[in-house]
Amino acid sequence: EADIYQTPRYLVIGTGKKITLECSQTMGHDKMYWYQQDPGMELHLIHYSYGVNSTEKGDLSSESTVSRIRTEHFPLTLESARPSHTSQYLCASSWTENTGELFFGEGSRLTVL
Amino acid sequence: GDSVTQMEGPVTLSEEAFLTINCTYTATGYPSLFWYVQYPGEGLQLLLKATKADDKGSNKGFEATYRKETTSFHLEKGSVQVSDSAVYFCALRTTGGFKTIFGAGTRLFVKA
Repeated sequence: EADIYQTPRYLVIGTGKKITLECSQTMGHDKMYWYQQDPGMELHLIHYSYGVNSTEKGDLSSESTVSRIRTEHFPLTLESARPSHTSQYLCASSWTENTGELFFGEGSRLTVL
Repeated sequence: GDSVTQMEGPVTLSEEAFLTINCTYTATGYPSLFWYVQYPGEGLQLLLKATKADDKGSNKGFEATYRKETTSFHLEKGSVQVSDSAVYFCALRTTGGFKTIFGAGTRLFVKA
């Protein structure tokens, strides 16, 4: 079973609020990722990290930011939420080698009113 | 660049029908190939994988063979169940392991 956890699972918040989506994994994986999933199901990589103090932007531009101060923790922050940020956010982790699969959390569904 | 193309859905089948979801890829080097499944309200989980040409991945009655000559990794199951209703994603992980590239997903509905 995957040991990667996301909180909150569901969040409804007003425009302009600051939010942080938490993601933690207990597998010691060096790589971590954030994906945004649109209603049409497609996954878009928005951030990734190779390890502590390493963060990179993904393929889809995002106003969110991430940090990786500890191996197991990879939070995503929106300083000022807008309705266009309404989406499902999926966190994942993996080992470095390319034969390894991604382990996903259950997702955080964000609704901005 | 590297990419994954999978058949559009939704796919609707009756219970015990045969399932095929097509997936083709474009990649440099020697990627690993994966099928992930997403059940309603959940994150993705690995269904099966193959790491080199001619490998067959299998799990829960599903199988897919890594075909380098046709750059394909089609998902098949001989007899689907209602509980197989989900979204299926084909994916490749690039040489060097830096990125996983996903197809657009195929939604499967299985009717009793």
